[in-house]
Amino acid sequence: GDSVTQTEGPVTVSESESLIINCTYSATSIAYPNLFWYVRYPGEGLQLLLKVITAGQKGSSRGFEATYNKETTSFHLQKASVQESDSAVYYCALGLSSFSKLVFGQGTSLSVVP
Amino acid sequence: GPKVLQIPSHQIIDMGQMVTLNCDPVSNHLYFYWYKQILGQQMEFLVNFYNGKVMEKSKLFKDQFSVERPDGSYFTLKIQPTALEDSAVYFCASSFIQGATEVFFGKGTRLTVV
Repeated sequence: GDSVTQTEGPVTVSESESLIINCTYSATSIAYPNLFWYVRYPGEGLQLLLKVITAGQKGSSRGFEATYNKETTSFHLQKASVQESDSAVYYCALGLSSFSKLVFGQGTSLSVVP
Repeated sequence: GPKVLQIPSHQIIDMGQMVTLNCDPVSNHLYFYWYKQILGQQMEFLVNFYNGKVMEKSKLFKDQFSVERPDGSYFTLKIQPTALEDSAVYFCASSFIQGATEVFFGKGTRLTVV
């Protein structure tokens, strides 16, 4: 079936260090799913961080970036230098149907410490 | 940015009773969704709704579940009767167009069935 697996949390990183949160997917119901990273900051709702709808392309937002790799079925999230304000839970997701059904990973809780 | 509001944020209900979860979607959106997240597990798609009809539902969307949006008011998820396994956080979401690459989420309603 369709599924997403991401880095198991919690993850703790020091401020200004680099970050990578791994995401791999399996899409059996659609050849080229849309790929998303969503983020939930403390006390907030889930919000879109970045999206890529074309294989081979890179998406970026707020210093984060992720590349849609169809060969390795991966969509890893990276940031060169994290800040305390990046502390949140990050979710990788597939967009499957024409009605925007999303399949989520389990979420990765990130804490950035001074 | 656009907000999806969910009311209430937390609800406790006796097993076997009926519960209605309310969602106020983004004002010009046409597609509506419910997702369910059991503690410690992934957020999972329940149902999507457009033009007064359920377009797609998952196996989690049991016969005891129903959705509606009467006259452009709240988009609701009703569970009747509730069971212990319905305890979870329910997230409402909306999008403007079919196949939208951005779906907006609410903060969730935590339902506890006792």
